[in-house]
Amino acid sequence: EVQLVESGGGLVQPGGSLRLSCAASGFTFSDYYMDWVRQAPGKGLEWVGRIRNKANSYTTEYAASVKGRFTISRDDSKNSLYLQMNSLKTEDTAVYYCARDSGGSGDSWGQGTLVTVSS
Amino acid sequence: DVVMTQSPLSLPVTLGQPASISCRSSQSLVHSNGNTYLNWFQQRPGQSPRRLIYKVSNRDSGVPDRFSGSGSGTDFTLKISRVEAEDVGVYYCMQGSHWPLTFGQGTKVEIK
Repeated sequence: EVQLVESGGGLVQPGGSLRLSCAASGFTFSDYYMDWVRQAPGKGLEWVGRIRNKANSYTTEYAASVKGRFTISRDDSKNSLYLQMNSLKTEDTAVYYCARDSGGSGDSWGQGTLVTVSS
Repeated sequence: DVVMTQSPLSLPVTLGQPASISCRSSQSLVHSNGNTYLNWFQQRPGQSPRRLIYKVSNRDSGVPDRFSGSGSGTDFTLKISRVEAEDVGVYYCMQGSHWPLTFGQGTKVEIK
């Protein structure tokens, strides 16, 4: 069974940093592209970014709203995905989901981790 | 960015009756490789999103066959043939053909 478990969320001040993790199991993690998607409280879904697999040089794509502030990385030896978030803004407050990409979008999602950016 | 526009945004339905959600994109979703990356997601209250349909009309494993997707180019539709109580939630279309990937605003399905 595919499982994705996010962690690392919490309360952080504006301008601060946070690193989210996503632990994957139940599939060959190294084969897949992975996405981060977020959802502000009471709002819709917003795609954050994607990291490709080793065969595609671990290249990344980002939404304009986070480009230059957020960095997606992965450690295939640990079956883990990461989201390093710097220069956080109040508008980054959201539940952050990791998702496995298959067929061009997330076919499996984690339960999400809440990030609150507030002073 | 490709803008995804869903309608209606709220959809009250009667149990056992059909329901239909429209999704329109601001540009064609036909990718250079010939595929059309239009997906549908369901988010039940308090749950993570779940993909129902990928590449316009392909149902994910375990998705009931009362859900179907159709469309081409810029106009797409998700249909529920007979709404059940467990179908309550918010439905999102999402395009994966152009960067950045973008979602529709969501359509809230509720029981009358």
